[in-house]
Amino acid sequence: KQEVTQIPAALSVPEGENLVLNCSFTDSAIYNLQWFRQDPGKGLTSLLLIQSSQREQTSGRLNASLDKSSGRSTLYIAASQPGDSATYLCAVGRSNAGNMLTFGGGTRLMVKP
Amino acid sequence: EPEVTQTPSHQVTQMGQEVILRCVPISNHLYFYWYRQILGQKVEFLVSFYNNEISEKSEIFDDQFSVERPDGSNFTLKIRSTKLEDSAMYFCASSEQGLNEQFFGPGTRLTVL
Repeated sequence: KQEVTQIPAALSVPEGENLVLNCSFTDSAIYNLQWFRQDPGKGLTSLLLIQSSQREQTSGRLNASLDKSSGRSTLYIAASQPGDSATYLCAVGRSNAGNMLTFGGGTRLMVKP
Repeated sequence: EPEVTQTPSHQVTQMGQEVILRCVPISNHLYFYWYRQILGQKVEFLVSFYNNEISEKSEIFDDQFSVERPDGSNFTLKIRSTKLEDSAMYFCASSEQGLNEQFFGPGTRLTVL
């Protein structure tokens, strides 16, 4: 059974700092990995999708990398801003038609002005 | 930008009652999903749906749950006889193809009293 772990569970940084969020998964037979942002009491906003054949994806100040063989992904946020404060979730998609996503517990990020 | 919508945003019901949660997926998407998040816990997969049938379901999705696409736009989750432990945020998601990026709705908070 796939297990997804995110470390750290919470992170507080000053504005402007570059930061890295970590995600690890136990079963490397994944099809893709998706990073989401969740604001308190709200839905999930998709940030980046990495296919298993890719090493990284970039969107603006965000860069996600994937090392499928070691079961790891990182989300790099450059020049953090207070508006980046949220919970960041990673989810791995399984290799079959249904593509159920298995989620990690999230990293709660606070960026202080 | 197209988005997934869900109604109602909050549903309060008595234990044993039936509830129907409604979702309108993105119009050109073919795959639909339900996930739930119990307060303070991970997001959990419930079911995926394609071509008018369930393509995958989790252990949580037992006989008290059912899904339906009653028309060309709506996708519903029915819980036949609600239990206290069904209290959670329920998220609908959709994707263009089965292995593509999943887009989530804002969620329905279900409270069972």
